[in-house]
Amino acid sequence: NAGVTQTPKFRVLKTGQSMTLLCAQDMNHEYMYWYRQDPGMGLRLIHYSVGEGTTAKGEVPDGYNVSRLKKQNFLLGLESAAPSQTSVYFCASRTTSDNEQFFGPGTRLTVL
Amino acid sequence: ILNVEQSPQSLHVQEGDSTNFTCSFPSSNFYALHWYRWETAKSPEALFVMTLNGDEKKKGRISATLNTKEGYSYLYIKGSQPEDSATYLCAFIGGGSYIPTFGRGTSLIVHP
Repeated sequence: NAGVTQTPKFRVLKTGQSMTLLCAQDMNHEYMYWYRQDPGMGLRLIHYSVGEGTTAKGEVPDGYNVSRLKKQNFLLGLESAAPSQTSVYFCASRTTSDNEQFFGPGTRLTVL
Repeated sequence: ILNVEQSPQSLHVQEGDSTNFTCSFPSSNFYALHWYRWETAKSPEALFVMTLNGDEKKKGRISATLNTKEGYSYLYIKGSQPEDSATYLCAFIGGGSYIPTFGRGTSLIVHP
């Protein structure tokens, strides 16, 4: 079991460039989440998904899009990166019960 | 947006000290509370999942209690060790919600 993996681990973008972050889980979890972590702000939810083919907005969705075409993958896209999107991005997944979330290792993104 | 507060924001203790911190959450529509341990440069890992009023959970030197009627949970660490240094996060899940709401965490530093 690899658990939750994220690709890439690090990335530097220029303002206006686009990229996609991939989250993959092999635990057959229904729910998947994308968070960003900024100093003093804790974890803020960007988007989430409660099952294959479904997505919903979280607390800070602007500037991001997501897709969940396969149950095991949750993609986070930045269409036109901005310096304000410089952050560490964490993906997480969990079962449909009250069980805890399992987090990926994070992706450190810098937008210049 | 639900209000989940953690206090104190940061804590410095000496090795061997016992310590505790608080997570406050809405006292209505409770479903579950999670505690996570988040070491620097790593991803959060679940410590406890708490679901019933009066729940007490223990893992080694770390324990947690839950009071859903008044909306708080305490995390205790007995005989702190330097390896306990981390940020401790709590996450509240309301009934019918797919989304855990995280507090901003308590940063614990244990000095040798």
